[in-house]
Amino acid sequence: NAGVMQNPRHLVRRRGQEARLRCSPMKGHSHVYWYRQLPEEGLKFMVYLQKENIIDESGMPKERFSAEFPKEGPSILRIQQVVRGDSAAYFCASSSQGNYGYTFGSGTRLTVV
Amino acid sequence: KQEVTQIPAALSVPEGENLVLNCSFTDSAIYNLQWFRQDPGKGLTSLLLIQSSQREQTSGRLNASLDKSSGRSTLYIAASQPGDSATYLCAVVPYTGANSKLTFGKGITLSVRP
Repeated sequence: NAGVMQNPRHLVRRRGQEARLRCSPMKGHSHVYWYRQLPEEGLKFMVYLQKENIIDESGMPKERFSAEFPKEGPSILRIQQVVRGDSAAYFCASSSQGNYGYTFGSGTRLTVV
Repeated sequence: KQEVTQIPAALSVPEGENLVLNCSFTDSAIYNLQWFRQDPGKGLTSLLLIQSSQREQTSGRLNASLDKSSGRSTLYIAASQPGDSATYLCAVVPYTGANSKLTFGKGITLSVRP
């Protein structure tokens, strides 16, 4: 029973390019969350999704960032026209209905050069 | 707005010592509280989950307690080992819903000296 799978583990993008981060939740989990961890800061919530629905996007920057969790396939966090300030570790977590704890992936470390 | 505080930010202890890591939160209306461990450059590993109706949870050398009324949780590590060196994060889920976002503290970076 694989845990939460994130890929790629490391991603380097030049300023202005697009970054696409993927997350496959644990088997049996239908709730997906994205968090961002900036150097010297804690983990900050970005967005919470269920299949085909965005439930809470209160932590998402208003521009350039979007997320989806399609009926088939992984959840995608998309960052358009990346800037140096987007460099961070992006973590995905999943939980089951009723929440018996969150399981986190290993993260994607985005570096914008 | 829920705020989670973990003090101190860093702690260094000799091997074998028993230690307590503290976590405080401002809004006592929580659904549950979870402790995580993060190794440098790695993801988060769940250590213990305490539901709001519970007072403590134990796993091996770890014991986590929860006092909702005072907005506090502690993680007790018995007989610390160098392998326990990591950052320990606590996070709470609000009572607005079982599947709500986690609010994290900034973590305590623990170093256990051989």
